[in-house]
Amino acid sequence: GAVVSQHPSRVICKSGTSVKIECRSLDFQATTMFWYRQFPKKSLMLMATSNEGSKATYEQGVEKDKFLINHASLTLSTLTVTSAHPEDSSFYICSAGLDYYEQYFGPGTRLTVT
Amino acid sequence: DQQVKQNSPSLSVQEGRISILNCDYTNSMFDYFLWYKKYPAEGPTFLISISSIKDKNEDGRFTVFLNKSAKHLSLHIVPSQPGDSAVYFCAARSLSSNTGKLIFGQGTTLQVKP
Repeated sequence: GAVVSQHPSRVICKSGTSVKIECRSLDFQATTMFWYRQFPKKSLMLMATSNEGSKATYEQGVEKDKFLINHASLTLSTLTVTSAHPEDSSFYICSAGLDYYEQYFGPGTRLTVT
Repeated sequence: DQQVKQNSPSLSVQEGRISILNCDYTNSMFDYFLWYKKYPAEGPTFLISISSIKDKNEDGRFTVFLNKSAKHLSLHIVPSQPGDSAVYFCAARSLSSNTGKLIFGQGTTLQVKP
């Protein structure tokens, strides 16, 4: 089956620093990747949709200057949380679209900002 | 505006019995529905899906029913097993989305007791 990896799985950073999270589709090319955020005991909140080679489309209320998304290739998308603050602490999950119908999720990244 | 709703935050069933998880939606443009299973600190795993042109889809112990007139879908797990204990999310995709963007419900935590 299609495999999506995320790195790192856990990261702890100090307030004010930036953190980069990588999402890779390991055995297929994904023209579209999605970034989600999950708060404790809450649903998955779509943050942005990224297409290879073009700018990401952000959902309403998501700061594009704070959450920088780069989709440099068909197998890699990165999310950079800039100037992280404690309220950015969350579980970030990416998914990669194989086609319109099939979407595979990464294992998630736990970000803790101290 | 919660377009996909799972009104039951939790469900507890006995091993071997049927688990029924419910999901309601408001957007009549949704044309494809999916169920995902999620363990803590992991990404969602795809379970089963259904197109809006069908009213039932079955895969082993999992069956999804769609009632378009009521804008309601349900996931039946028979027989339930302790390993099914997890959070279940329903998700929907809009016909108007060309990216495959998913809208998730809040999730239902299923506990299957031995």
